[in-house]
Amino acid sequence: NAGVMQNPRHLVRRRGQEARLRCSPMKGHSHVYWYRQLPEEGLKFMVYLQKENIIDESGMPKERFSAEFPKEGPSILRIQQVVRGDSAAYFCASSPLGELIAKNIQYFGAGTRLSVL
Amino acid sequence: GDSVTQMEGPVTLSEEAFLTINCTYTATGYPSLFWYVQYPGEGLQLLLKATKADDKGSNKGFEATYRKETTSFHLEKGSVQVSDSAVYFCALSGQGGSEKLVFGKGTKLTVNP
Repeated sequence: NAGVMQNPRHLVRRRGQEARLRCSPMKGHSHVYWYRQLPEEGLKFMVYLQKENIIDESGMPKERFSAEFPKEGPSILRIQQVVRGDSAAYFCASSPLGELIAKNIQYFGAGTRLSVL
Repeated sequence: GDSVTQMEGPVTLSEEAFLTINCTYTATGYPSLFWYVQYPGEGLQLLLKATKADDKGSNKGFEATYRKETTSFHLEKGSVQVSDSAVYFCALSGQGGSEKLVFGKGTKLTVNP
Protein backbone atom coordinates (compact mmCIF):
# COMPACT_ATOMS: atom_id res chain seq x y z
CA ASN A 1 0.00 0.00 0.00
CA ALA A 2 1.71 3.13 -1.20
CA GLY A 3 1.84 6.06 1.16
CA VAL A 4 0.57 9.57 0.60
CA MET A 5 2.15 10.82 -2.62
CA GLN A 6 2.86 14.46 -3.23
CA ASN A 7 4.28 16.02 -6.34
CA PRO A 8 6.30 17.79 -7.24
CA ARG A 9 8.76 17.52 -4.35
CA HIS A 10 10.27 20.85 -5.24
CA LEU A 11 8.62 23.69 -7.13
CA VAL A 12 10.18 26.98 -8.13
CA ARG A 13 7.99 29.85 -9.27
CA ARG A 14 8.52 33.51 -10.02
CA ARG A 15 6.37 36.13 -8.37
CA GLY A 16 2.98 36.36 -10.06
CA GLN A 17 2.96 32.81 -11.42
CA GLU A 18 0.61 30.04 -10.35
CA ALA A 19 1.62 27.04 -8.25
CA ARG A 20 -0.28 23.74 -8.37
CA LEU A 21 0.51 21.15 -5.73
CA ARG A 22 -0.84 17.62 -6.00
CA CYS A 23 -1.63 15.05 -3.36
CA SER A 24 -2.74 11.46 -3.85
CA PRO A 25 -4.01 10.00 -0.57
CA MET A 26 -3.34 6.49 0.58
CA LYS A 27 -5.52 3.86 -1.04
CA GLY A 28 -8.89 3.71 0.65
CA HIS A 29 -8.52 7.14 2.29
CA SER A 30 -11.21 9.68 1.49
CA HIS A 31 -10.12 12.52 3.76
CA VAL A 32 -7.33 14.93 2.86
CA TYR A 33 -5.73 17.74 4.85
CA TRP A 34 -3.28 20.40 3.74
CA TYR A 35 -0.76 22.01 6.09
CA ARG A 36 1.87 24.69 5.54
CA GLN A 37 5.23 24.76 7.28
CA LEU A 38 7.07 28.06 7.25
CA PRO A 39 10.82 28.06 8.03
CA GLU A 40 11.52 27.37 11.72
CA GLU A 41 7.79 26.96 12.39
CA GLY A 42 5.44 24.11 13.08
CA LEU A 43 2.80 22.99 10.64
CA LYS A 44 -0.28 25.16 10.30
CA PHE A 45 -3.59 23.70 9.17
CA MET A 46 -4.96 25.08 5.93
CA VAL A 47 -7.89 23.01 4.70
CA TYR A 48 -9.71 19.71 5.20
CA LEU A 49 -11.49 18.04 2.29
CA GLN A 50 -13.49 14.96 1.58
CA LYS A 51 -14.25 13.80 -1.94
CA GLU A 52 -15.87 16.74 -3.77
CA ASN A 53 -16.42 18.68 -0.53
CA ILE A 54 -14.51 21.25 1.48
CA ILE A 55 -15.20 20.51 5.14
CA ASP A 56 -13.04 23.10 6.91
CA GLU A 57 -11.08 25.86 5.20
CA SER A 58 -10.56 28.00 8.28
CA GLY A 59 -6.78 28.04 7.78
CA MET A 60 -6.80 29.08 4.13
CA PRO A 61 -5.81 32.63 3.22
CA LYS A 62 -8.84 34.46 1.87
CA GLU A 63 -7.27 35.32 -1.44
CA ARG A 64 -5.19 33.48 -4.06
CA PHE A 65 -5.44 30.06 -2.39
CA SER A 66 -7.89 27.33 -3.32
CA ALA A 67 -8.15 23.58 -2.87
CA GLU A 68 -10.14 20.78 -4.40
CA PHE A 69 -10.47 17.03 -4.07
CA PRO A 70 -12.41 15.76 -7.09
CA LYS A 71 -14.23 12.49 -7.35
CA GLU A 72 -11.43 11.16 -9.53
CA GLY A 73 -7.78 12.13 -9.26
CA PRO A 74 -5.58 13.79 -6.69
CA SER A 75 -6.30 16.68 -4.40
CA ILE A 76 -4.94 19.98 -5.72
CA LEU A 77 -3.78 23.01 -3.75
CA ARG A 78 -3.62 26.01 -6.07
CA ILE A 79 -1.85 29.26 -5.29
CA GLN A 80 -2.42 32.06 -7.77
CA GLN A 81 -0.09 35.03 -8.25
CA VAL A 82 2.49 33.69 -5.82
CA VAL A 83 4.49 36.06 -3.62
CA ARG A 84 7.75 35.45 -1.76
CA GLY A 85 5.86 34.93 1.50
CA ASP A 86 4.28 31.82 -0.01
CA SER A 87 7.66 30.07 0.07
CA ALA A 88 7.19 27.16 2.44
CA ALA A 89 6.81 23.41 2.65
CA TYR A 90 3.26 22.24 1.95
CA PHE A 91 2.27 18.91 3.42
CA CYS A 92 -0.71 16.78 2.61
CA ALA A 93 -2.13 14.17 4.98
CA SER A 94 -4.85 11.60 4.55
CA SER A 95 -7.03 9.57 6.85
CA PRO A 96 -9.63 6.85 6.46
CA LEU A 97 -13.02 7.23 8.10
CA GLY A 98 -12.44 4.41 10.57
CA GLU A 99 -9.36 5.99 12.07
CA LEU A 100 -11.15 9.31 12.39
CA ILE A 101 -13.45 7.56 14.79
CA ALA A 102 -10.31 6.23 16.50
CA LYS A 103 -9.16 9.79 17.14
CA ASN A 104 -7.72 11.13 13.99
CA ILE A 105 -4.62 9.36 12.79
CA GLN A 106 -3.29 11.24 9.79
CA TYR A 107 -0.65 9.93 7.40
CA PHE A 108 1.62 12.55 5.88
CA GLY A 109 3.28 12.84 2.51
CA ALA A 110 6.87 14.00 2.06
CA GLY A 111 5.73 17.50 1.16
CA THR A 112 6.23 19.99 -1.67
CA ARG A 113 8.82 22.66 -1.07
CA LEU A 114 7.76 25.82 -2.88
CA SER A 115 10.32 28.51 -3.57
CA VAL A 116 9.16 31.83 -4.96
CA LEU A 117 11.86 33.91 -6.63
CA GLY B 1 -8.28 28.61 20.39
CA ASP B 2 -6.36 25.40 20.87
CA SER B 3 -2.58 25.65 21.08
CA VAL B 4 0.52 23.57 21.75
CA THR B 5 3.74 24.80 23.34
CA GLN B 6 6.87 22.69 23.25
CA MET B 7 10.37 23.33 24.48
CA GLU B 8 12.63 25.35 22.26
CA GLY B 9 15.47 23.59 20.58
CA PRO B 10 17.85 22.65 19.36
CA VAL B 11 18.67 19.83 21.74
CA THR B 12 22.04 18.10 21.45
CA LEU B 13 22.74 14.87 23.32
CA SER B 14 25.32 12.15 23.35
CA GLU B 15 24.34 8.62 22.40
CA GLU B 16 22.67 6.70 25.27
CA ALA B 17 21.67 9.90 27.08
CA PHE B 18 18.17 10.41 28.52
CA LEU B 19 15.80 12.54 26.48
CA THR B 20 12.91 14.72 27.62
CA ILE B 21 11.06 17.11 25.32
CA ASN B 22 8.39 19.09 27.15
CA CYS B 23 4.98 19.72 25.64
CA THR B 24 2.00 21.51 27.15
CA TYR B 25 -1.33 22.29 25.54
CA THR B 26 -4.38 24.50 25.80
CA ALA B 27 -7.65 23.06 24.58
CA THR B 28 -11.30 22.79 25.43
CA GLY B 29 -12.70 19.40 26.24
CA TYR B 30 -10.63 16.29 25.87
CA PRO B 31 -8.23 16.45 22.94
CA SER B 32 -6.20 13.59 21.56
CA LEU B 33 -2.44 14.12 21.80
CA PHE B 34 0.30 13.06 19.40
CA TRP B 35 4.02 13.12 18.85
CA TYR B 36 5.19 13.20 15.24
CA VAL B 37 8.79 12.88 14.03
CA GLN B 38 10.24 14.44 10.88
CA TYR B 39 13.51 13.14 9.49
CA PRO B 40 15.49 15.40 7.14
CA GLY B 41 13.77 15.86 3.79
CA GLU B 42 10.82 13.70 4.72
CA GLY B 43 7.24 14.11 5.83
CA LEU B 44 5.93 13.62 9.32
CA GLN B 45 5.56 10.17 10.81
CA LEU B 46 3.33 9.40 13.74
CA LEU B 47 5.52 8.37 16.67
CA LEU B 48 2.91 7.80 19.37
CA LYS B 49 -0.49 8.97 20.56
CA ALA B 50 -2.82 9.08 23.56
CA THR B 51 -6.53 9.66 23.43
CA LYS B 52 -7.55 10.13 27.06
CA ALA B 53 -6.19 11.22 30.40
CA ASP B 54 -3.52 8.96 31.95
CA ASP B 55 -3.05 7.05 28.70
CA LYS B 56 0.59 6.31 27.92
CA GLY B 57 1.66 6.21 24.29
CA SER B 58 4.83 4.30 23.45
CA ASN B 59 6.81 3.33 20.36
CA LYS B 60 10.45 2.60 19.53
CA GLY B 61 11.52 3.24 23.13
CA PHE B 62 9.77 6.62 23.27
CA GLU B 63 7.00 7.25 25.79
CA ALA B 64 4.60 10.06 26.67
CA THR B 65 1.80 10.19 29.25
CA TYR B 66 -1.37 12.27 28.85
CA ARG B 67 -1.52 14.40 32.00
CA LYS B 68 -4.76 16.34 32.14
CA GLU B 69 -4.03 17.93 35.52
CA THR B 70 -0.90 19.59 34.14
CA THR B 71 -2.10 19.71 30.49
CA SER B 72 1.14 18.07 29.44
CA PHE B 73 2.38 15.32 27.14
CA HIS B 74 6.15 15.21 27.59
CA LEU B 75 8.19 12.92 25.34
CA GLU B 76 10.85 10.73 26.95
CA LYS B 77 13.38 8.13 25.90
CA GLY B 78 15.79 6.42 28.23
CA SER B 79 18.70 5.98 25.83
CA VAL B 80 18.83 7.88 22.55
CA GLN B 81 20.63 6.73 19.42
CA VAL B 82 22.21 8.66 16.56
CA SER B 83 19.31 7.50 14.38
CA ASP B 84 16.87 9.42 16.63
CA SER B 85 18.22 12.70 15.28
CA ALA B 86 15.19 14.46 13.82
CA VAL B 87 12.62 17.17 14.51
CA TYR B 88 9.89 16.20 16.97
CA PHE B 89 6.45 17.80 16.91
CA CYS B 90 3.82 17.67 19.61
CA ALA B 91 0.25 17.99 18.32
CA LEU B 92 -3.35 17.82 19.41
CA SER B 93 -6.65 17.10 17.79
CA GLY B 94 -9.53 18.89 19.42
CA GLN B 95 -13.16 18.08 19.97
CA GLY B 96 -14.60 21.03 18.16
CA GLY B 97 -15.94 19.08 15.24
CA SER B 98 -12.88 19.68 13.06
CA GLU B 99 -10.28 16.99 12.69
CA LYS B 100 -7.39 19.35 12.08
CA LEU B 101 -4.16 18.87 13.98
CA VAL B 102 -2.66 21.77 15.93
CA PHE B 103 1.13 21.54 16.10
CA GLY B 104 3.84 22.93 18.29
CA LYS B 105 6.82 24.59 16.64
CA GLY B 106 8.97 21.49 16.77
CA THR B 107 12.16 20.58 18.63
CA LYS B 108 15.25 19.62 16.69
CA LEU B 109 17.20 16.79 18.30
CA THR B 110 20.78 15.96 17.37
CA VAL B 111 22.39 12.88 18.87
CA ASN B 112 26.16 12.62 18.62
CA PRO B 113 28.07 9.34 18.71
